Amino acid sequence: GNSVTQMEGPVTLSEEAFLTINCTYTATGYPSLFWYVQYPGEGLQLLLKATKADDKGSNKGFEATYRKETTSFHLEKGSVQVSDSAVYFCALRRVSWGKLQFGAGTQVVVTP
Amino acid sequence: NAGVTQTPKFQVLKTGQSMTLQCAQDMNHNSMYWYRQDPGMGLRLIYYSASEGTTDKGEVPNGYNVSRLNKREFSLRLESAAPSQTSVYFCASREGVRGPTEAFFGQGTRLTVV
Repeated sequence: GNSVTQMEGPVTLSEEAFLTINCTYTATGYPSLFWYVQYPGEGLQLLLKATKADDKGSNKGFEATYRKETTSFHLEKGSVQVSDSAVYFCALRRVSWGKLQFGAGTQVVVTP
Repeated sequence: NAGVTQTPKFQVLKTGQSMTLQCAQDMNHNSMYWYRQDPGMGLRLIYYSASEGTTDKGEVPNGYNVSRLNKREFSLRLESAAPSQTSVYFCASREGVRGPTEAFFGQGTRLTVV
């Protein structure tokens, strides 16, 4: 079946540090891949997505590249801010289905 | 821009009590979803509705029922709450079942069953 594995948190960083959150997946076919962000007390928001191999999704300084050869979709940001403190979820959706399969989430804490 | 609205935001129930979580979206979306979020497990799909008049089970449907009341509203009912149902519940909607369209989430309902 489909599954998403992401690194455990919490990840604690200083402001302006480089952030990487690893995400790998198992799926049949060619899923679409997503990163969602959940700020404290809020619901999930789509951060970025990629729908085919080698696509790069980007938004708000975050980037992730769909790597089919390594079945990965790692999230990166070059210089984090305190406002990036949140829980980040990697997710996939098989092209033929509308249901999202989520990873466990990674909490990121950015300190001044 | 209301988006997806869930009520209530917080609820405490005693074991065996029943309740209904309400969800409404104003984006004219066809598909709606109920997830639960538990520490270390991400979000797991409880039930979904691909279109008005249809509902289907997700990964963890036991102990829940749903109603797609109309295109806007999708409710989740706990008939006899159990402590294992303590969780944060999220409703989501999406334009259609297929294709790369984005899912929009409500702010969540934090449910505690004692």
